[in-house]
Amino acid sequence: DTGVSQNPRHKITKRGQNVTFRCDPISEHNRLYWYRQTLGQGPEFLTYFQNEAQLEKSRLLSDRFSAERPKGSFSTLEIQRTEQGDSAMYLCASSLVPNLGGEQYFGPGTRLTVT
Amino acid sequence: EDKVVQSPLSLVVHEGDTVTLNCSYEVTNFRSLLWYKQEKKAPTFLFMLTSSGIEKKSGRLSSILDKKELFSILNITATQTGDSAVYLCAQGGSEKLVFGKGTKLTVNP
Repeated sequence: DTGVSQNPRHKITKRGQNVTFRCDPISEHNRLYWYRQTLGQGPEFLTYFQNEAQLEKSRLLSDRFSAERPKGSFSTLEIQRTEQGDSAMYLCASSLVPNLGGEQYFGPGTRLTVT
Repeated sequence: EDKVVQSPLSLVVHEGDTVTLNCSYEVTNFRSLLWYKQEKKAPTFLFMLTSSGIEKKSGRLSSILDKKELFSILNITATQTGDSAVYLCAQGGSEKLVFGKGTKLTVNP
């Protein structure tokens, strides 16, 4: 399978704990994006990387969130001191730029539940 | 803030029916309008539209864009139970995608 992969697929954690998610993009894609999706909503943009550079962060990305893409390949998203409001599906997507319309390809997501 | 609005939010039909899903957008930096299908997992890419009036078609699904009126429609003909999903539209302008809330389609046998 050469699509976007994410690990873990599910994570249950207690409030206040730190969690880290991993995303492996499609191998030749130079852009990697993180989105968050809650029930009944479309995905909301969090941040994106072009190669190893983090180029944009949403105001949704509080100080407790940090993302890295150290070698321009896989990326990690860490949430520190988790809160119940962080419970959501965290989606990773990748794309190859330049491209005409910005199509992105999504991974299966990591579902986070904070108890 | 860019805004993408989808309607209806949910729709229940019988197999064989034809459905039309709507997506309107209000953006100033438009590049494209994208449609995705989401079952209980990742959104899967369906169509990307960049030009008005040119229909994109894939099997029983088709989509068209109207850049003057700022909307797009997704048509599904002869629906099947496997078409049951949430259909998301998204505007691609700056680097991120801005999504609507989706239309939840349920196709009953």
